[in-house]
Parts: sequence; structure tokens; C-alpha cells
Amino acid sequence: DAGVTQSPTHLIKTRGQQVTLRCSPKSGHDTVSWYQQALGQGPQFIFQYYEEEERQRGNFPDRFSGHQFPNYSSELNVNALLLGDSALYLCASSPGTSGIDTQYFGPGTRLTVL
Amino acid sequence: QKEVEQDPGPLSVPEGAIVSLNCTYSNSAFQYFMWYRQYSRKGPELLMYTYSSGNKEDGRFTAQVDKSSKYISLFIRDSQPSDSATYLCASFNAGNMLTFGGGTRLMVKP
Repeated sequence: DAGVTQSPTHLIKTRGQQVTLRCSPKSGHDTVSWYQQALGQGPQFIFQYYEEEERQRGNFPDRFSGHQFPNYSSELNVNALLLGDSALYLCASSPGTSGIDTQYFGPGTRLTVL
Repeated sequence: QKEVEQDPGPLSVPEGAIVSLNCTYSNSAFQYFMWYRQYSRKGPELLMYTYSSGNKEDGRFTAQVDKSSKYISLFIRDSQPSDSATYLCASFNAGNMLTFGGGTRLMVKP
């Protein structure tokens, strides 16, 4: 089992650009969540996808958008990048929609905005 | 005020020591409490979780929740250098949305 995979590993962008990050969930998982982790901070919830729809959203602006594909993989898009968007972006997958679904995290994509 | 608070550390202990890591939370609706370990440049890894108040033990690790005081603890016995990492406490908010503390950096010195 490959676990949760994310690509790319690192990314450098400049202010105002747009970026797309990708996530493949653990086998058997159909729910994908995205988190932003600034340096020295805990992860902050961005949004969650289930059945190709955004099910929940944290306190992030509309510049952050996502998509889930029929194979449960997911993308995170960030438009009009700001310096403050520099962070580790984590994808987590979980099975099902009920009970205590534990989330398994990928290694993250480190985004640097210059 | 953040919903989950942690002392950022760093916490430095000698090998073999008992480590106590703590969090406080403010949301009374939280029911499930998790501890994650995160090594440098890696994603968080779930260590253990508990439901409501009480203790849960797994090997050298014990998680404790006191809902009356909104206090979460993780104890590590016989700490090892390989335990050096950042420890994140978290709780479930609505649905599967995790709310994390800021993390405590632990260093176990040989």
C-alpha cells in the first residue's frame, strides 16, 4: 500500500501566480482533506472533498479551490499567490463518512512564494 | 483564542526520561482527541486517539483526556532519541475536520 502521495514535493512560485497541488489518497479511502501548515505552526484545515464535492471548508479565502476526481484523487488550486501562502500543504485521506474516521497524511508539498 | 493550545517548546529531556506533553482546548463539543507525531519535513503520523474522558495506553505511550478541565495529555515512558519530533494534539470539530494545536517540539538527548 503506497499510502497517501502528493506531488510535487517542492514548488517555488512568485507573487500573483497560480499553483496546483495534487494528492492521491490511500487505497480504499474516498475522502480527501487539505491542510496548510505554516512554519512552526500546526496544520490548518482548508477544505474536504467527498464524492467529488466540497463537503466542508475552513476559514480560507476563495483563492483556494479544489477538485476531486472519480478515482478519489484531488487537486488544490491557489490563485493570486501571496507571500503568506508559503507553507507546507498537507493532504489527508480517510475512509467513509461516518464514525471516527482517522485521517492519514501525505508527506506534503512545500510551497515557497517569492 | 485558538480552539486548541499547546506550548511550542522546545522540550529537551535525557534518554529514558518520562515526557509529559499537554494541550488545552476551548470547544466543549470536541469528543475525539488525537495525538500526531511529525518528523521534520514529513506529514503528521497518528499515534493514538481517545474518545471523551479517560486514559488509553499503547506501548510506551499513554493518552489522557480530562473533559472537565479541557486538558489533554500524552505521556511517553522510557523516551528514546527516535522520539525526537514535533507532537501535535488535535480534536474533531464538525465532521472529519481536525483542529490542531500548534505543536510541541521534543528533543530526546542520548
